[in-house]
Amino acid sequence: QQQVKQSPQSLIVQKGGISIINCAYENTAFDYFPWYQQFPGKGPALLIAIRPDVSEKKEGRFTISFNKSAKQFSLHIMDSQPGDSATYFCAAGDSNYQLIWGAGTKLIIKP
Amino acid sequence: DAMVIQNPRYQVTQFGKPVTLSCSQTLNHNVMYWYQQKSSQAPKLLFHYYDKDFNNEADTPDNFQSRRPNTSFCFLDIRSPGLGDAAMYLCATSRDRYNSYEQYFGPGTRLTVT
Repeated sequence: QQQVKQSPQSLIVQKGGISIINCAYENTAFDYFPWYQQFPGKGPALLIAIRPDVSEKKEGRFTISFNKSAKQFSLHIMDSQPGDSATYFCAAGDSNYQLIWGAGTKLIIKP
Repeated sequence: DAMVIQNPRYQVTQFGKPVTLSCSQTLNHNVMYWYQQKSSQAPKLLFHYYDKDFNNEADTPDNFQSRRPNTSFCFLDIRSPGLGDAAMYLCATSRDRYNSYEQYFGPGTRLTVT
């Protein structure tokens, strides 16, 4: 019940295309859903986050869509660029103020 | 710039030889975390501090210990490294426990065990 399931494991998108990464959870007590971006050899960095009382949040080319009834949320990267190539982790914050991490998606943007 | 610093960036140790990894932060954050990350996997939380209050994850091996002598510094001690402990070790901070979703990570220390 504490898991966050992330898909796909890897994704290849052409430059300029839309990258979509999906996550699903079971625990309805989760109350914060961040996405982290990690480049090779670096630590993860917070990219964007959403609370369950909001259905969508947009920051530049990055958008989180949140479906509370389906217990799913997704990251959309519009106009994907080679510099977006990284591993993306979704996560969920629980009542113990800890993060439950998804398994990660390795995104490759082809020029 | 305020940041999380980890030293060394690369550490090679021998099987069974104790090793210490260090982390410092200039963010003045209350919470510090240690994660282990193996290739192509999500970070795995080892332990965290709320100020001086130490919290150990249930599945963290006894081989791993931590110290936080003050707000700015935190250390990870691996008493007898095994080959399976080779990984990237990440230090992170958050302003307080209520903002644990927003964590600031250091660049990591890549540990090799020979």
